[in-house]
Amino acid sequence: EAGVAQSPRYKIIEKRQSVAFWCNPISGHATLYWYQQILGQGPKLLIQFQNNGVVDDSQLPKDRFSAERLKGVDSTLKIQPAKLEDSAVYLCASSFQSRGNTGELFFGEGSRLTVL
Amino acid sequence: AQTVTQSQPEMSVQEAETVTLSCTYDTSESNYYLFWYKQPPSRQMILVIRQEAYKQQNATENRFSVNFQKAAKSFSLKISDSQLGDTAMYFCALNGNFNKFYFGSGTKLNVKP
Repeated sequence: EAGVAQSPRYKIIEKRQSVAFWCNPISGHATLYWYQQILGQGPKLLIQFQNNGVVDDSQLPKDRFSAERLKGVDSTLKIQPAKLEDSAVYLCASSFQSRGNTGELFFGEGSRLTVL
Repeated sequence: AQTVTQSQPEMSVQEAETVTLSCTYDTSESNYYLFWYKQPPSRQMILVIRQEAYKQQNATENRFSVNFQKAAKSFSLKISDSQLGDTAMYFCALNGNFNKFYFGSGTKLNVKP
């Protein structure tokens, strides 16, 4: 079974530029998450999708971050314009359970963003 | 509010010895799941062990076991016979309502030869 796929693995941009990250979850996983992990910290949830609907985006900086999950499968996270403090690893994860709280998270390898 | 606290930023252990990582949490949910995830350097995060809150028996996976104290809201991870490959960041996580996961700040474990 293929795991969670993310691309690109690494990206270096100048501040005020834009960047997009792509995630393809495990087939059949209804719930998809984007996390931001700053070096030395735990993952911080940015947005949670269930199928193609948003469950929680309360910590997404909506003035610069956007995310979509068209057709309830793969997802794109965009940052525009980027700031220095956006330097982090962006983790995508998916979970099979669409309701309840029994599922474990399966993570991708992450996309490391460096903003100069 | 749901929170997860890991009070040990970094720990070291000699190869073949036993180490315990601490985690405390707070939740108002009556049913929830607790997890320990491992994140090796520059590699993806993987599940180590899972505990269902309504089960009193502590979960065990080979060399990994937990000490789940529900009343104290404590969930520690014990690694027996530590191996060099256990070197990683370890995150405690709580799965509350609506499939929301809350992570601690992590413990960096260094296994020394």
